[in-house]
Amino acid sequence: QKEVEQDPGPLSVPEGAIVSLNCTYSNSAFQYFMWYRQYSRKGPELLMYTYSSGNKEDGRFTAQVDKSSKYISLFIRDSQPSDSATYLCAMSEMGNTPLVFGKGTRLSVIA
Amino acid sequence: EADIYQTPRYLVIGTGKKITLECSQTMGHDKMYWYQQDPGMELHLIHYSYGVNSTEKGDLSSESTVSRIRTEHFPLTLESARPSHTSQYLCASSAQLNTGELFFGEGSRLTVL
Repeated sequence: QKEVEQDPGPLSVPEGAIVSLNCTYSNSAFQYFMWYRQYSRKGPELLMYTYSSGNKEDGRFTAQVDKSSKYISLFIRDSQPSDSATYLCAMSEMGNTPLVFGKGTRLSVIA
Repeated sequence: EADIYQTPRYLVIGTGKKITLECSQTMGHDKMYWYQQDPGMELHLIHYSYGVNSTEKGDLSSESTVSRIRTEHFPLTLESARPSHTSQYLCASSAQLNTGELFFGEGSRLTVL
């Protein structure tokens, strides 16, 4: 079983839709949870960061972490064509360990 | 805008050649990483460094080597390229270990014929 599971999609939605992206994980020691956005031919960039459980909101983006279910989500409200990208979840433990990434979900928002 | 640079952006090379992918950052970050990314697959950590003269192998054995002689520079070398090395290679750096923000370069797309 992979440490982090993420449906690679692709996911295609109309402009203005609410998008839900999800990851599950198996390592209960993960404490830090991130979402990265990667545009075509670019490197990933950090979009949202959450420590432990709970919700975090930033504009149209909301990140949720449910540690009891080992499940994290990213919601995008009022999606825009500029949101078209690959979204990667990433997570890490406390201490001296690098991030573990999911496969990424490719999202297309159609105008 | 992240100040981390990778060269070359694109490279097509024959089997058996030695190649070095360059990565430099101007942010003074101690921690640097090399990831391999294939379409629809996870980013796989190849090598990482937490400071000068410190390097570690990641979870993917890619038959490559790295060096960290200067804080800002973290080159990746393939001694003998093979078609299986064809991939996108991403370099990243961070100031803090677990609070998440890796700054990525734009990647080096390698094709080995």
